[in-house]
Amino acid sequence: TQLLEQSPQFLSIQEGENLTVYCNSSSVFSSLQWYRQEPGEGPVLLVTVVTGGEVKKLKRLTFQFGDARKDSSLHITAAQPGDTGLYLCAGDNSGNTPLVFGKGTRLSVIA
Amino acid sequence: DTAVSQTPKYLVTQMGNDKSIKCEQNLGHDTMYWYKQDSKKFLKIMFSYNNKELIINETVPNRFSPKSPDKAHLNLHINSLELGDSAVYFCASSLGQGNTIYFGEGSWLTVV
Repeated sequence: TQLLEQSPQFLSIQEGENLTVYCNSSSVFSSLQWYRQEPGEGPVLLVTVVTGGEVKKLKRLTFQFGDARKDSSLHITAAQPGDTGLYLCAGDNSGNTPLVFGKGTRLSVIA
Repeated sequence: DTAVSQTPKYLVTQMGNDKSIKCEQNLGHDTMYWYKQDSKKFLKIMFSYNNKELIINETVPNRFSPKSPDKAHLNLHINSLELGDSAVYFCASSLGQGNTIYFGEGSWLTVV
């Protein structure tokens, strides 16, 4: 069974701070997706990374896929209260099975 | 227009009752799912259907029975509800296995 470990599990920071959350596995994934879930809603896709070493930016969010395609990181610059939510990474095993989800990082940005 | 819609959004019921949650997607996707998210926010897949056929059935009690009348609908019926069934249940869909998953807003089930 492929597992995705996310760290930290909880993170509470002040508005304006930078942060990085991690998604690690001992398995190789063909691609990796990041979702954000806000309170009372379902997860929504933020980005998909496919190539080892790939970096994608979404405004203040920077996503990186590890060279070996086993891990990924999400860096948020100048966090804002609107970034608060549960960040989930999900790995794709070449489309033959459903995405494998990590347990998530719960981020709270305090104004 | 909601892409993946599920009803009811909130459900409070007594132990031992039988209840159903309905789900519909208007994205034309072939694959639909049911996920369970517990109080710790762990998202676990329960079932995966592809073109109305069951593909994945993770270890869930057989009190949970999904039904897919057509590929746009995947309903979840739960018999003899237990306290431990209290959770948020998400319906979702995707083009195929491994593609981007579109989630519904969740159905918050509380068993008392």
